[in-house]
Amino acid sequence: QVQLVESGGGVVQPGRSLRLSCAASGFTFKNYAVHWVRQAPGKGLEWVAVIRYDGSNIDYGDSVKGRFTISRDNTRNTLYLQMNSLRPEDTALYYCARVSGRDGYTFVDYWGQGTLVTVSS
Amino acid sequence: DIQMTQSPSSLSASVGDRVTITCRASQTISTYLDWYRQRPGKAPELLIYGASSLQSGVPSRFSGSGSGTEFTLTISGLQPEDFATYYCHHNSNYRLTFGGGTKVDIK
Repeated sequence: QVQLVESGGGVVQPGRSLRLSCAASGFTFKNYAVHWVRQAPGKGLEWVAVIRYDGSNIDYGDSVKGRFTISRDNTRNTLYLQMNSLRPEDTALYYCARVSGRDGYTFVDYWGQGTLVTVSS
Repeated sequence: DIQMTQSPSSLSASVGDRVTITCRASQTISTYLDWYRQRPGKAPELLIYGASSLQSGVPSRFSGSGSGTEFTLTISGLQPEDFATYYCHHNSNYRLTFGGGTKVDIK
């Protein structure tokens, strides 16, 4: 079955860096685009970044552009998010999520359980 | 950027009730609209894609409708596991935009 398992979260001081990972299994990872989506405590969902199946096309949400870097290693079936210059407002549960498609539509069909990032001094 | 606005932001209902949630896009998006359910402490689950197509494995009590800028999610016969937060979502060239969410709690 499809599984996405995030790791790497923790407590970090403002201005510091953190790298998240998402290990994929149960499907052919190299064939799928993948997103990072975050959710601040008690708040809604916010898109962070996306990377296409082969890493050729990458995009970021405005609030993280220039500070975060998404990447993937298709040989290790793993997605990454390098987060630099962290701010308190980056505190959130970070999900990785797989893109799928049907009938001409693309949508996110599987999500991990998330890894919590807390930015605090 | 396209904005997605959901209403209401919360509602109270009882098991067995019919519930309707609305999502409005700031510009026309055809039928490129999805709905997710997020139970407390859990990841979101895809319910509806393409405005009205039921995702595989999702109970038929969920239905979606609409096109252009106005969309609706209907739950016909609310079940205990449906007390959750619901999000509409639009994907534009892989950039995701979510509505603010509608929390459905027990009356």
